[in-house]
Amino acid sequence: DVKVTQSSRYLVKRTGEKVFLECVQDMDHENMFWYRQDPGLGLRLIYFSYDVKMKEKGDIPEGYSVSREKKERFSLILESASTNQTSMYLCASSLSQGGYTFGSGTRLTVV
Amino acid sequence: AQSVAQPEDQVNVAEGNPLTVKCTYSVSGNPYLFWYVQYPNRGLQFLLKYITGDNLVKGSYGFEAEFNKSQTSFHLKKPSALVSDSALYFCAVRDVTGGFKTIFGAGTRLFVKA
Repeated sequence: DVKVTQSSRYLVKRTGEKVFLECVQDMDHENMFWYRQDPGLGLRLIYFSYDVKMKEKGDIPEGYSVSREKKERFSLILESASTNQTSMYLCASSLSQGGYTFGSGTRLTVV
Repeated sequence: AQSVAQPEDQVNVAEGNPLTVKCTYSVSGNPYLFWYVQYPNRGLQFLLKYITGDNLVKGSYGFEAEFNKSQTSFHLKKPSALVSDSALYFCAVRDVTGGFKTIFGAGTRLFVKA
């Protein structure tokens, strides 16, 4: 079965910490995405990547960066975590015309 | 700019009755349209998509959706609801000419009562 794996299911971090969220897919998909999910706001796109070392800003990139050194891995970095970054983070991958395959999500709490 | 609207925060139906979850969209070009479902404490799962062709598309778990270009709608339907269909449903749109970016609606929570 195809998979998108997010390294952590739950994380608690302190304000100001640098946080790394890892995502790995085994489907050889070109495209990978990071969204955050907040109640009443749906999913909002943070960053996406359509190829190795390529990245594009989504709708809410402020305070985040990403890294894609290998096709299967897409990392989200919170440079200096803040309480308003407490959220559910979802990684996804896709082919060009396909639907997304999502990971199980990482629930991040910043205290 | 592309956008998606799910006008209902919540839909309540009785088991065995037909269900509809509404979605309207706005894109400058031609749309790719998607429905996803999120069960409690689980990630999102792909249900179905419209790319081109027949306006009625069938997906997983007995769900289907109808693409209506004139009304810019893509409503999700099921002829007979099950209690196990209770979940959070997201409509999503991608502009064919706009690259790989997909926009999601805010979600509609479906409650199916036994």
